[in-house]
Amino acid sequence: AQSVTQPDIHITVSEGASLELRCNYSYGATPYLFWYVQSPGQGLQLLLKYFSGDTLVQGIKGFEAEFKRSQSSFNLRKPSVHWSDAAEYFCAVGAKTGGFKTIFGAGTRLFVKA
Amino acid sequence: NAGVTQTPKFRVLKTGQSMTLLCAQDMNHEYMYWYRQDPGMGLRLIHYSVGEGTTAKGEVPDGYNVSRLKKQNFLLGLESAAPSQTSVYFCASSYPGAGNTIYFGEGSWLTVV
Repeated sequence: AQSVTQPDIHITVSEGASLELRCNYSYGATPYLFWYVQSPGQGLQLLLKYFSGDTLVQGIKGFEAEFKRSQSSFNLRKPSVHWSDAAEYFCAVGAKTGGFKTIFGAGTRLFVKA
Repeated sequence: NAGVTQTPKFRVLKTGQSMTLLCAQDMNHEYMYWYRQDPGMGLRLIHYSVGEGTTAKGEVPDGYNVSRLKKQNFLLGLESAAPSQTSVYFCASSYPGAGNTIYFGEGSWLTVV
C-alpha cells in the first residue's frame, strides 16, 4: 500500500539553527516526491519536488531535500531557520498518472523560538 | 493572478442542512480536486475531476457530491451535513501529469453543530 509517514508531529528549533524534517514513503513504483508548506490560515504551497536525476533538490525559501531510495526517505532541510518558517510542512508522494494519486503525510508542525 | 479561489471561507451549519462550496481557478487547469484536512490526518481526497463534465471519487467521498459543469469551476456539495464533516476543505487544481504542481486555495472552514 502506498503511504507517507512523517514521524514528527511537531518540532521546535531556535532561530538560526539548522532544520531537518523527516519523511518516509512506501510506494510500488518510481515515486514523485513533494514538500509543501502551509502557513496558518492558508492553503498549501509547493516548496520543492523530485522526479528523477540529482537526488538533492533545491526549493524556494532556502529549503532543500534529499531523495534516498535505499531508505525510502525524502527529508527536508534548511541550514538556518528564520522565524517566518514557522508553519506546517507536508510531504507527499505522487503517481505518474496524475495529481489525483498524490498522497499526503500527516504533516509536521514547525515552531521557531527566538 | 487569483489562482484558486474558494467561497465561503467560513460557515457554520446545523446537522441536516445542506450547502455548496464553490471553487474557481483561473489557470486553465484540467484537473481539480477537493480535499479535507483534519488534525493528524493530513489531506484526504474527497472527489476529483480530470476535465469538464467528469468527476470521480477519492479516498473519502461519502456524504459529498461534486459537479464540474465548467472547466474553471468545481463545486462540492453536502446534502445533509453531519458533525463528522466538520473540517477544513481545500480546493486545488493542476495540469495533467504527476510532474505538475497542485495549486491550493486558501481553505474553507466548515463547522457542523
